[in-house]
Amino acid sequence: GAVVSQHPSRVICKSGTSVKIECRSLDFQATTMFWYRQFPKQSLMLMATSNEGSKATYEQGVEKDKFLINHASLTLSTLTVTSAHPEDSSFYICSARAAGNTIYFGEGSWLTVV
Amino acid sequence: QQQVKQSPQSLIVQKGGISIINCAYENTAFDYFPWYQQFPGKGPALLIAIRPDVSEKKEGRFTISFNKSAKQFSLHIMDSQPGDSATYFCAGTGSGNTGKLIFGQGTTLQVKP
Repeated sequence: GAVVSQHPSRVICKSGTSVKIECRSLDFQATTMFWYRQFPKQSLMLMATSNEGSKATYEQGVEKDKFLINHASLTLSTLTVTSAHPEDSSFYICSARAAGNTIYFGEGSWLTVV
Repeated sequence: QQQVKQSPQSLIVQKGGISIINCAYENTAFDYFPWYQQFPGKGPALLIAIRPDVSEKKEGRFTISFNKSAKQFSLHIMDSQPGDSATYFCAGTGSGNTGKLIFGQGTTLQVKP
């Protein structure tokens, strides 16, 4: 199957700093990527839809100024958590849409804010 | 209209048994129904998917049964193995959703040796 790569897989940052997570589609082009957040033992919560060359579409309740999304190319979307706080600690997962509406997920990124 | 309801929340099966997980959807515009398998600390991996023009799809030990009129679909894992122990998510999406997946709540499967 298609491969979606996320980096870093784990990151620890200090409270008040910003951290960037990258999502790359390695063997296909993705005009649309998605960012999710997952809490322990829960389902995936969609944060935003990332569209190449245009602004991201955020789900209700997600702060767009805090979670900055950039989809600069057909294979790369980035999520920047700005002014991170301990409550932002979570598992962040991206996915990319391939041909036929098939969605492939990255391996996820663990963010810990201390 | 957008919900996907999944059951059971957790499931324990003996090795060699059949694991069955059920999902029901509301949006009749959905035309793609994938199942994902997620191990702790990892991202979801696409397991198998079906479109509404067929009633069943089989890949190895994994089978999706689809009932369009009832708006239900299920995952059957035959000859369940301890390595199948994971959380399984069903989902639905349609062309009108721009690929946005609507997930079920997840089922934690434990296969006992």
